[in-house]
Amino acid sequence: DAGITQSPRHKVTETGTPVTLRCHQTENHRYMYWYRQDPGHGLRLIHYSYGVKDTDKGEVSDGYSVSRSKTEDFLLTLESATSSQTSVYFCAISEYLQGNGYTFGSGTRLTVV
Amino acid sequence: DAKTTQPNSMESNEEEPVHLPCNHSTISGTDYIHWYRQLPSQGPEYVIHGLTSNVNNRMASLAIAEDRKSSTLILHRATLRDAAVYYCILRDGAGNMLTFGGGTRLMVKP
Repeated sequence: DAGITQSPRHKVTETGTPVTLRCHQTENHRYMYWYRQDPGHGLRLIHYSYGVKDTDKGEVSDGYSVSRSKTEDFLLTLESATSSQTSVYFCAISEYLQGNGYTFGSGTRLTVV
Repeated sequence: DAKTTQPNSMESNEEEPVHLPCNHSTISGTDYIHWYRQLPSQGPEYVIHGLTSNVNNRMASLAIAEDRKSSTLILHRATLRDAAVYYCILRDGAGNMLTFGGGTRLMVKP
């Protein structure tokens, strides 16, 4: 999607290893979000950010940490990956708190073996 | 966020209008109604949103019931590219998070 890119697009990693997913935006939007999507669970919010160095937990934050040192980058880290974290991860951005839509990235498919 | 109820799946014929219903009987006065869709192997895509009045944009129309307890997303002329999962979501006036439910899987037949 224009203005938001996720990297990598696909990753296979071993249980117990650290993994960092990157979300990069060129829209200068204040709000950024990380979701995961699993069959039978839909999209669930992991963490979100409302500004540089301002982050908060979402619905399923256990096992994940985030950082936002610049407006354009929002990193999601799995400190010690587990098989239950195999999922498709989506980043989203939003300009305002309310009244407009989110723009989602194309997703990162992570497999933990 | 208040909950929404949508049919699991719907079918439509190509080039015909599609009406996707959503019930949100516990909606509060400050909740906005948002619709997103997700095409296969892609991230969700914003479609439309509204508060009280019906809304139109290039992608679709949103019809909101007078009591706001239900809404309908209208695709005026379905194409094969409209086959996707459509999510109806309520977002409160102070909230900054979208909570996705199961959505409606729309199948479009040629």
